[in-house]
Amino acid sequence: GAGVSQSPSNKVTEKGKDVELRCDPISGHTALYWYRQSLGQGLEFLIYFQGNSAPDKSGLPSDRFSAERTGGSVSTLTIQRTQQEDSAVYLCASQDRVGTDTQYFGPGTRLTVL
Amino acid sequence: GQNIDQPTEMTATEGAIVQINCTYQTSGFNGLFWYQQHAGEAPTFLSYNVLDGLEEKGRFSSFLSRSKGYSYLLLKELQMKDSASYLCALPSGGSYIPTFGRGTSLIVHP
Repeated sequence: GAGVSQSPSNKVTEKGKDVELRCDPISGHTALYWYRQSLGQGLEFLIYFQGNSAPDKSGLPSDRFSAERTGGSVSTLTIQRTQQEDSAVYLCASQDRVGTDTQYFGPGTRLTVL
Repeated sequence: GQNIDQPTEMTATEGAIVQINCTYQTSGFNGLFWYQQHAGEAPTFLSYNVLDGLEEKGRFSSFLSRSKGYSYLLLKELQMKDSASYLCALPSGGSYIPTFGRGTSLIVHP
């Protein structure tokens, strides 16, 4: 079956503009994560959705970042008033249930803020 | 909280064996993952250990010692395509949200 997909694959924007990044998880997976990876760095957790529960937003770096997950499936990560330090690869991962299940990652969106 | 430590970079020769270590400190242990990430690509699952000991899967094996807070990934018969970053990750005690190490960049040369 289809894996996790993300769009766009690349996004170049100007400082101060808003961007929306999309993630389509594997069908039926209840858990969805957003991570950020800067060049040469590890994965930085941003936000976690599990079923219908309230998302865990503890990793969001500022209030410029927000995410939603509609109908328990597709998720959108929004970054408002982008800054140059937001430049990174944004990875989405889905998971069948929770916890110790394997995460399946999408190909990522490379965001460049000029 | 959690603290994960991996070497930044390792080099090895094609056909050789390499061991990538991961040491960790965690308040609640729920197993340990290893992921492989090729440059410019997403991480892909390699292994999951929750009990002490060695789990073998083809050329790749993963070892865990919970009492020592230590794991390693063993890659045998190295191939050029094994050049990648190897990430150690632990689901945190309460929420199970994985914390990733910075990754070990493995360079395999002829």
